[in-house]
Amino acid sequence: GAVVSQHPSRVICKSGTSVKIECRSLDFQATTMFWYRQFPKQSLMLMATSNEGSKATYEQGVEKDKFLINHASLTLSTLTVTSAHPEDSSFYICSARKTANTEAFFGQGTRLTVV
Amino acid sequence: DAKTTQPNSMESNEEEPVHLPCNHSTISGTDYIHWYRQLPSQGPEYVIHGLTSNVNNRMASLAIAEDRKSSTLILHRATLRDAAVYYCILRDGTSGTYKYIFGTGTRLKVLA
Repeated sequence: GAVVSQHPSRVICKSGTSVKIECRSLDFQATTMFWYRQFPKQSLMLMATSNEGSKATYEQGVEKDKFLINHASLTLSTLTVTSAHPEDSSFYICSARKTANTEAFFGQGTRLTVV
Repeated sequence: DAKTTQPNSMESNEEEPVHLPCNHSTISGTDYIHWYRQLPSQGPEYVIHGLTSNVNNRMASLAIAEDRKSSTLILHRATLRDAAVYYCILRDGTSGTYKYIFGTGTRLKVLA
């Protein structure tokens, strides 16, 4: 299957700082990328959908000013957690899809710990 | 959002077939049925997807009911590496973004 790579895989940051997570589709061009958050022993929760060159569409209850998403090219999307707090500690996962009718492939996830 | 219902957990013996059921009674005519699985501390892995006909690939088979209100993921010979949470997902096209909404999934335990 296609490869989606996230970086970093693990990050620890101090409360109040910002952290950026990158999501790259390595062997295909992704018109759409998705960002999810997953808390321990829970399912994935969709945060936002981003299309290349457009503003991201956020799910209800997700603060767009706190979770900044940029999808500047067909192979890269970034999620920036601004002014992070301990409650933002979670497993963040991205996925990328070539077209609406193709399957989505997921990155390996980024474990964020805010101390 | 289109919803799916799966059993919380299932067990299987190694080397035996496993049938993982999924109900999706509110499926619309254009919704694809996708299956992913997730190992601990990893992102979900694509397994299979289909629209109306049964599908086979090297990982599994997908059997779709004639009315499309349910489907079954079939692992032909379970191995210990197949222990994971399996998610049945309908691609939600109502907003035009065709997003994937995850349900609670089925945790599959494979017994040696």
